[in-house]
Amino acid sequence: EVQLVESGGGLIQPGRSLRLSCTASGFRFEDYAMHWVRQAPGKGLEWVSGINWNIESKGYADSVKGRFTISRDNAKNSLYLQMDSLRDEDTALYYCAKVSGDGYYYDYFDSWGQGTLVIVSS
Amino acid sequence: QSVVTQPPSASGAPGQRVTLSCSGSSSNIGGNTVNWYQQLPGTAPKLLIYDNDQRPSGVPDRFSGSKSGTSASLAISGLQSKDEADYYCAAWDDSLNGVVFGGGTKLTVL
Repeated sequence: EVQLVESGGGLIQPGRSLRLSCTASGFRFEDYAMHWVRQAPGKGLEWVSGINWNIESKGYADSVKGRFTISRDNAKNSLYLQMDSLRDEDTALYYCAKVSGDGYYYDYFDSWGQGTLVIVSS
Repeated sequence: QSVVTQPPSASGAPGQRVTLSCSGSSSNIGGNTVNWYQQLPGTAPKLLIYDNDQRPSGVPDRFSGSKSGTSASLAISGLQSKDEADYYCAAWDDSLNGVVFGGGTKLTVL
């Protein structure tokens, strides 16, 4: 059974940094691209960032480009999101999501974690 | 404001059929497959339809998807109270080089 467990969220002041983690199990992590999707309170889903299985391809939403960095450690079955220069509007529940097809950067998300909440506030 | 548009709300009585719409452009829905996600209250999204009209195992055949041009639809027949949820369409966007989600439709079962 695929399991994705996010961690690292919390209350953080604007301008500060936070690193989110997503630990995966139940599948061959190194074969699949992974993404971060966020959801602001009471709002819809927003794609944040994605990383290919071999780390050669990464992408970011315009809203986070230059401030967020996605990475992964295939040896640790872990996905990360380094969030710098945080803003109030980054407040959201952050989900990690797995793509369905091995070798694909994106086809669709067949598994989601439960999310970790980031609150940016002074 | 999302580049893919969904009506914010929809409703139907138990047993009825409802259709949720999703409208985009040539850079997303028009050129790529559409996926649908269901988000029950307080839970993570769940894949409902992939590749425009394919159901993952375990998804009842009451749910069906279709796509035509730059629009897509999700139909739910035999509506049940447990179908009350938010529904999101999504597709890859070639111009943005990222995944775009519709704003979501909140479905209420009357």
